[in-house]
Amino acid sequence: AQSVTQPDIHITVSEGASLELRCNYSYGATPYLFWYVQSPGQGLQLLLKYFSGDTLVQGIKGFEAEFKRSQSSFNLRKPSVHWSDAAEYFCAVITGGGNKLTFGTGTQLKVEL
Amino acid sequence: DGGITQSPKYLFRKEGQNVTLSCEQNLNHDAMYWYRQDPGQGLRLIYYSQIVNDFQKGDIAEGYSVSREKKESFPLTVTSAQKNPTAFYLCASGKITGENGYTFGSGTRLTVV
Repeated sequence: AQSVTQPDIHITVSEGASLELRCNYSYGATPYLFWYVQSPGQGLQLLLKYFSGDTLVQGIKGFEAEFKRSQSSFNLRKPSVHWSDAAEYFCAVITGGGNKLTFGTGTQLKVEL
Repeated sequence: DGGITQSPKYLFRKEGQNVTLSCEQNLNHDAMYWYRQDPGQGLRLIYYSQIVNDFQKGDIAEGYSVSREKKESFPLTVTSAQKNPTAFYLCASGKITGENGYTFGSGTRLTVV
């Protein structure tokens, strides 16, 4: 079965520091991959997506992610974190049979001022 | 503006009651989805629908029911058979192909009292 793993449950970074959130997937074919962000009590907002082509994709709010097929990874990065980036981040993959989104368990980001 | 609206934002249910969560979209999306979110478990798919008058069970459909009488609407009923209904419920919509990911509503928090 397809699955998504986010190994870090919580991450704390200082404002201005760089950020990398890890995501690994298990899927036979080339997946459609996504990163979403969720503020407390809110819905999810799409940060970026990967389907094919350039393996480095740019998203909103200064985020980027790199698809590495050999490592089955799709890590999210940001060069300099802002206090407003504190939120929960979810990696997701589209799976066949209804094109359903399967989510990882999320990474909670805390930003220290 | 196009979007997806969930109501109510907060809902309280007594033991043994059925309650219905509303989800409406004006994005002209064919596919609609219901997810349940619990702390530390990510989002789990309850039901989804790709066409009017048709829907499919997700991973945790027991104790829930849905209908899709109109393209714009996909209400979720939490029945008395759902033994642990307290959670945050998210509705989403998207293209059938899933290529743009989903657009999410702002969620309904259901609490059993």
